Amino acid sequence: NAGVTQTPKFQVLKTGQSMTLQCAQDMNHNSMYWYRQDPGMGLRLIYYSASEGTTDKGEVPNGYNVSRLNKREFSLRLESAAPSQTSVYFCASDSSRRGLEKLFFGSGTQLSVL
Amino acid sequence: DAKTTQPNSMESNEEEPVHLPCNHSTISGTDYIHWYRQLPSQGPEYVIHGLTSNVNNRMASLAIAEDRKSSTLILHRATLRDAAVYYCILRDVWRDDKIIFGKGTRLHILP
Repeated sequence: NAGVTQTPKFQVLKTGQSMTLQCAQDMNHNSMYWYRQDPGMGLRLIYYSASEGTTDKGEVPNGYNVSRLNKREFSLRLESAAPSQTSVYFCASDSSRRGLEKLFFGSGTQLSVL
Repeated sequence: DAKTTQPNSMESNEEEPVHLPCNHSTISGTDYIHWYRQLPSQGPEYVIHGLTSNVNNRMASLAIAEDRKSSTLILHRATLRDAAVYYCILRDVWRDDKIIFGKGTRLHILP
């Protein structure tokens, strides 16, 4: 059981380049989330998806777009990367967005924008 | 803004109990208290959650104040592997809501 899988694990971009971070879960979860974590900081919510076909902005959505391709996959796209987007990105999922559920996290993507 | 407040860091000796506090003075009646921890270079992992009563599992215990405005995560016998950042968050049992993590408490374990 793989849980939440993120690819790639590491990425270096130049300012202005674009890329897509991939996330897939195999737990049949309805809800999926993207967080970023800057050095020494907590997690900040970028976007979330309550179910297939729906997405909503989190705390820090500017500069990002997301796609909930199907129930399993939730991708995060940086259209024009900026140095301020250097961070570790975590994808998470749970069966619903209610208080009884546990969040499951991927192992993260470390992104550097030069 | 995070709905919980935690100390930035704490230290404890190995093999001693650790009590990690969390304040959530604006908690609503339908908020569950969740704890996660993040080991170095890993994604966060679930530890425990509760509503009103104290909860125990194989990882930890959760003590919830009678007025529910604070809670304490208890690691009964800390090991070096428990060194991590611990996050206390609130999740409403009925409403779909943004899950906001604060900065958490960085726990240092001294050998």
